[in-house]
Formats: sequence, C-alpha cells, structure tokens
Amino acid sequence: DAKTTQPNSMESNEEEPVHLPCNHSTISGTDYIHWYRQLPSQGPEYVIHGLTSNVNNRMASLAIAEDRKSSTLILHRATLRDAAVYYCILREGYSSASKIIFGSGTRLSIRP
Amino acid sequence: GAGVSQTPSNKVTEKGKYVELRCDPISGHTALYWYRQSLGQGPEFLIYFQGTGAADDSGLPNDRFFAVRPEGSVSTLKIQRTERGDSAVYLCASSLPGLYNEQFFGPGTRLTVL
Repeated sequence: DAKTTQPNSMESNEEEPVHLPCNHSTISGTDYIHWYRQLPSQGPEYVIHGLTSNVNNRMASLAIAEDRKSSTLILHRATLRDAAVYYCILREGYSSASKIIFGSGTRLSIRP
Repeated sequence: GAGVSQTPSNKVTEKGKYVELRCDPISGHTALYWYRQSLGQGPEFLIYFQGTGAADDSGLPNDRFFAVRPEGSVSTLKIQRTERGDSAVYLCASSLPGLYNEQFFGPGTRLTVL
C-alpha cells in the first residue's frame, strides 16, 4: 500500500468546520482513499472512502484533488465527540489482500 | 445489532506465559482481521481470515503468534512464551467479503506482560 502523510495534530473549535489534509503523492491509479477514525479507548471506525470524485455521507465529506495526490476530510460542524485520531489510508484496487495499513494519523482536538 | 466483541477486555500475564484472546465477529461477516496497537501508534496488521482459512498471515511477528478460526466465525489469537514487548492492545475487525467493505472493529483486548 502507498504511503500517506498527515499532520501529527490539529485543533479546532466546536461547531466550526474542520479540514484534515492528507498527502499521497505516490498514489496509483487503482488506489482508493479511505478514512478511519479512532475515538479514545475504542477501535477504529470507518468514516468515508473515494476514488476520484468528491464524496459525501452523514459523517463527513471527502474532497479529492484532481491529480489525486492529496485529499481532505471535511467535518462540517465539529462536535466534542469528533475528537479522535483520523487515519488516511490507501487501499489497492486489485489487491487480493484487504488488510488496512495504518499510519500514525492526525490527532484532532476540539475546543469547547 | 451486536458489534464485534472481544474478550477479555484486559489481560495481565507474566513473561513466558501463554495467552489466548478471543474475537466474536459480526454475524455473517466472513472476513476477520487481527491488528495490534502500541501506545501512540496506529494499528498494525497481523492476520486476515476469509472463512476458516488464513488468507494473509504476513503480519504475524514470529512463530510465537498463531490464530485460528475453526468454524469461520469466532477467532482466537494465541501467543506463546509472552514477552514484555508483546504488551499492546489487540484489535479484531470483521467485514463482509470484498475489497472495499468497511471493517468493523471491536474495542480491543489490552494485554500487559509483566
């Protein structure tokens, strides 16, 4: 799986939007971009994934650069419950293995 | 519905002992994964089962680690001759078959080797 680069930590204010960046300059054409997050003392949970087009779901939006070398996870209105470590992950499109290779992620803190 | 469950939630053992960690996946999920997570790091892949067979065990660190899933549901991760470096949170996840299906993680078992 290709490598991703994320800031170690970010802070945001409650009820404001949060933009979490991820660089993946060596992404291949068949790699999907996935985001998971891990709340304190819990296992990771799926947030969103995409290939080329921007994606929206009930939790977040994923904005993918046109050249696919970077992406941004957008939390539209952060709450205290969104404080977590956010992992940006690439998963090969045609790999027979579906394991997830996690990096160190971005630790997001939310100020009340 | 019920999520992935793991037992015990905490396990303290002494160096050199044998431990077993159990994972109950979501019903109907044929894929099951084990990861371990050291403090301050992201989870590290250990092994992946599709049904009863280990499809990828490339993450097992050495032959002291072994996992089984005899009936394609519950899985047990077994660690022999535990070492202090084995101390970590061991996470289990399950998913429906397919490359992009969301993995559902359990709360983990915190293993401490004294």
